[in-house]
Amino acid sequence: AQSVAQPEDQVNVAEGNPLTVKCTYSVSGNPYLFWYVQYPNRGLQFLLKYITGDNLVKGSYGFEAEFNKSQTSFHLKKPSALVSDSALYFCAVRPGNTGKLIFGQGTTLQVKP
Amino acid sequence: NAGVTQTPKFRILKIGQSMTLQCAQDMNHNYMYWYRQDPGMGLKLIYYSVGAGITDKGEVPNGYNVSRSTTEDFPLRLELAAPSQTSVYFCASSSTVTGTGDLYGYTFGSGTRLTVV
Repeated sequence: AQSVAQPEDQVNVAEGNPLTVKCTYSVSGNPYLFWYVQYPNRGLQFLLKYITGDNLVKGSYGFEAEFNKSQTSFHLKKPSALVSDSALYFCAVRPGNTGKLIFGQGTTLQVKP
Repeated sequence: NAGVTQTPKFRILKIGQSMTLQCAQDMNHNYMYWYRQDPGMGLKLIYYSVGAGITDKGEVPNGYNVSRSTTEDFPLRLELAAPSQTSVYFCASSSTVTGTGDLYGYTFGSGTRLTVV
C-alpha cells in the first residue's frame, strides 16, 4: 500500500536552532514529494516540492528538504528556526502518474523563544 | 486571483440534516479534490474529479456525494449528517500543466468547519 509516515507528532526546538521534521514514504514508481504548512484555522500552504533533479530542494520561508531515495525519506529542514515557524506540517506524496496526493498525519512544530 | 473559495466557513448541523459545501476555483484547474481533516489523522480523500462530468471515490466516500458540472465548481453533499462527519473539510485543486507556483501540487481553500450534533 502506498503511504506517507511522519513519525513525530510534535517537534520542539528553540528559536535560532536548526530544525528537522521527518517524513518517509512508500510508493511504487518515481514519487513526487511535497511539504505543506498549516497555520491555525487556515488551509494548507505549499512549501516546497521534489519532482526530479537535485536531491536538496529549497522552498518558501527558508525551508529546504532532502530527498533520499535509498532511505525513502524527504525530511524538512531549516538552519535557524523562528517562533513564527510554529505550525502543523504535512508531508505528501503523489505516486507516479496519478493526480492524487497522499498525506502524512502531520507534525506539529513548536518553536520556543 | 481568488484561488480556491469554500463556503460556508463554519456550520452546525443536526443529525439527519443535509447540506452542501461549496467549492469554486478560478485557476482553470482540471483536478479538484475534497479532503476531511481530523486531529492526528492527517487528510483523508473523500472524492476527486479529473474534469467536468468526471468524479471518483477517494478513501472515505461513504455519506458524501459530489458533482462536477463545470470546471470551476465542485460541491460536496452530505445527505444525512452523522456525528462522525464532524470535521474540517478542505477543497483543493491542481493542474497538470505549468504556470502555477505549486506545479503538480495543490491549491487549498481555507476550509469549512462542520459540527454535527
